[in-house]
Parts: sequence; C-alpha cells; structure tokens
Amino acid sequence: AQKVTQAQTEISVVEKEDVTLDCVYETRDTTYYLFWYKQPPSGELVFLIRRNSFDEQNEISGRYSWNFQKSTSSFNFTITASQVVDSAVYFCALSGGLETSGSRLTFGEGTQLTVNP
Amino acid sequence: DTAVSQTPKYLVTQMGNDKSIKCEQNLGHDTMYWYKQDSKKFLKIMFSYNNKELIINETVPNRFSPKSPDKAHLNLHINSLELGDSAVYFCASSTWGAPQHFGDGTRLSIL
Repeated sequence: AQKVTQAQTEISVVEKEDVTLDCVYETRDTTYYLFWYKQPPSGELVFLIRRNSFDEQNEISGRYSWNFQKSTSSFNFTITASQVVDSAVYFCALSGGLETSGSRLTFGEGTQLTVNP
Repeated sequence: DTAVSQTPKYLVTQMGNDKSIKCEQNLGHDTMYWYKQDSKKFLKIMFSYNNKELIINETVPNRFSPKSPDKAHLNLHINSLELGDSAVYFCASSTWGAPQHFGDGTRLSIL
C-alpha cells in the first residue's frame, strides 16, 4: 500500500522567512512519481512539480526548491523568502506503477501555510 | 482554453435527491479520475477510467456511478444523496506518470 505523510498540519511564518514543508512517503513500487500541489484559498489544485523515482537531483524554480532523498523516503519542499501569496494548503502526492496503482495519486493530508505580512 | 472543466461549480440539494457532475478535458489525455476532498481537506481517489475502461474503483458506495461516454468525458452520478456526501469533488486527467490536471472542483452541499 502507498502512504504519504505530511506531519506538519499548519505552519505560520512572517513574510520573507524561508519555510520547509516535509513529506515522507511509503511505497513498494520501484518506479514511482512524487508531486507537490498547491491549493490556494480559491480552492483549485495547482501542479507545482513532478519527480520520478530515478531522478534524485534537487530542483529549484524561482523561490521554490525541492529536496528528494530516496534513502529517507522524503520529498521536502522549501519556499525561500515567503510571500503572502504563498499562503495555501500544500499537498505532497505519490503515484506508483500503472500495474499496481493504476496511476492514482495518493495524497498526504496537506500542510496549511500561512504567511503573515 | 480550460483544460479540465467540470460543472456545476456549486451544487446545493436535498438529501435523497439524485445529481450528476460533468467533467470534460481537452488535453487529449487517456486517463480521467474523480477525487473527493472532505471537510478536513483530505483528498482521496474514487474512480479512474483509462480509454473509457474503469481501472480504479475504490471503496465507494454504489450510489456513486461514473460514466465515461468517450475519452474526453467522465461524469459522476450520485443517487440518493446523503449528508455525508457533502464534499468537494475534483475531476482530473493525465497520461500515465504525468502530472494530473485538475478541474476547479464541484462543491456539493446536502441540506
């Protein structure tokens, strides 16, 4: 069975602080994909990043960066110099092999990030 | 321009009624999904269709019946609505392994 754990239910920071959202996953698949989605107060789900299990390179996109470590089954997300517009619920998700999971997304419970001015 | 569109955006109805939510994608994807987001924001897969064939059917009451008339459409019909069905329902589409593109959600409220 697949499982994603986001231990931080809520995080509150002041604008311009850096913040890291943790994600730990469990899977028996050898090929899998990890994702982060953002859900702003307006409610839509916005795709941020996909990583496959064979690519452990960290990625940076503007103020966002991701740290994938297979050894600890973690895929953490860091926002540098946070802004009020970053306030949202962030979901980490896992998708396994088509044969075992039908490419479904298994979501973590989400982390509510509040960035205060 | 909308990639995944679902209608209606809001649905308010009485307990016991039957309702449908429609979903269409114009991305040429071969797989479509329905997810349910409960009041605690938890997202869980309900159904998935690949090329009009049902491939995922989670433990969902059989009052929920998906229908895929073609690759671009996946509708969700719900019979005999109950209070516990109140949630936000998201449609999504993808090709395998690719990011899933989500619709804006349908907020279902049962009175």
